[in-house]
Amino acid sequence: AQTVTQSQPEMSVQEAETVTLSCTYDTSESDYYLFWYKQPPSRQMILVIRQEAYKQQNATENRFSVNFQKAAKSFSLKISDSQLGDAAMYFCAYRSALFGEKLTFGTGTRLTIIP
Amino acid sequence: DVKVTQSSRYLVKRTGEKVFLECVQDMDHENMFWYRQDPGLGLRLIYFSYDVKMKEKGDIPEGYSVSREKKERFSLILESASTNQTSMYLCASSLHPAGTNTGELFFGEGSRLTVL
Repeated sequence: AQTVTQSQPEMSVQEAETVTLSCTYDTSESDYYLFWYKQPPSRQMILVIRQEAYKQQNATENRFSVNFQKAAKSFSLKISDSQLGDAAMYFCAYRSALFGEKLTFGTGTRLTIIP
Repeated sequence: DVKVTQSSRYLVKRTGEKVFLECVQDMDHENMFWYRQDPGLGLRLIYFSYDVKMKEKGDIPEGYSVSREKKERFSLILESASTNQTSMYLCASSLHPAGTNTGELFFGEGSRLTVL
């Protein structure tokens, strides 16, 4: 079974600075998808960014980018120019491309933005 | 935009009560999911459904059942609530992955259940 590990339960960053959230995963599959989700306090979980494993190019969405290292099974999220609205729980998730449609989630990282 | 609506944001129930958590999505998604979220444990899958009347167990199905009589609605049932089922319950839906669709989940706002 696939597992997703987020080793940083909490992180903090000064407003306007850059922060990187770590995620590693364990799988024997070669084709899969990785996601970062954001859950603001008392609000709905939303997708931040996704990465297809067959793509070598790292995904980017505005201030959010990933560092996808397939051989190392690492998928970190970089948030540039941090804003107060970035404060949230961030979850890394894995989905097999071949077997099933469920997502397996990590335990989450709580990000605090310091004004 | 996809909208996933969970019927109750907050519920308080007593041990032994039967509890229904309802979820409705409005985008004709084939797949629907129930996750449980606990601090330090992340999201754990309880059950999911890939079609009407179809269901599959997730990682922690014990003590729960589900019902999907219509495509847009997926219900989570706690037959006899226990205190260890106090948690945040998240419903999600997704399209069947195909082509450029990566099967991302769209979530409801969550239902926080307290069992006394």
